[in-house]
Amino acid sequence: GAVVSQHPSWVICKSGTSVKIECRSLDFQATTMFWYRQFPKQSLMLMATSNEGSKATYEQGVEKDKFLINHASLTLSTLTVTSAHPEDSSFYICSAILAGQGSNEQFFGPGTRLTVL
Amino acid sequence: AQSVTQLDSQVPVFEEAPVELRCNYSSSVSVYLFWYVQYPNQGLQLLLKYLSGSTLVKGINGFEAEFNKSQTSFHLRKPSVHISDTAEYFCAVREFYNQGGKLIFGQGTELSVKP
Repeated sequence: GAVVSQHPSWVICKSGTSVKIECRSLDFQATTMFWYRQFPKQSLMLMATSNEGSKATYEQGVEKDKFLINHASLTLSTLTVTSAHPEDSSFYICSAILAGQGSNEQFFGPGTRLTVL
Repeated sequence: AQSVTQLDSQVPVFEEAPVELRCNYSSSVSVYLFWYVQYPNQGLQLLLKYLSGSTLVKGINGFEAEFNKSQTSFHLRKPSVHISDTAEYFCAVREFYNQGGKLIFGQGTELSVKP
């Protein structure tokens, strides 16, 4: 149980276009999902916390107008990179918390590799 | 504010040798502690976690970690590594009272197991 999927697993796009990444909890309901960004050989950087039915909470320095997050249901959160540029190329990982679990353990998706040309 | 320090960015080791990956944290409140493993181009997989109780925690793939409150450490150990253990390892903490579940990650340690 507690499987999180991401789609697509990789995407290549032209500069200026928008890209949507989906994060789904497959076998559980997730009231909270997180979006991370990871550069090569670096740690995960939390971008935002996404709660179902409410606006996402962005970390300092993350442009909310550039990285649009929608958490429309208890099993789906989306991250849209708007007007992508080469510097947005990165590995994006989502995670979800199993509702009702005291430790709030995060279950991670497999990640999405974004390359902006 | 919380912080996590992984003291070694890279740890090369020969197959079947023991290994220890070090993690120290800083927090003014009680925390939960986690170790994750990341294989190339993949997400994170939980190795083990400390929530409460026994300070020696056993996880998957033969790994274990010991919580030392006085030294604010949570070092990861394995008595005999395999080639397949080659991966990036991340230590993470979450404040006990942080209902939002936000994790703070260390910088990561690249474990390289050589034959």
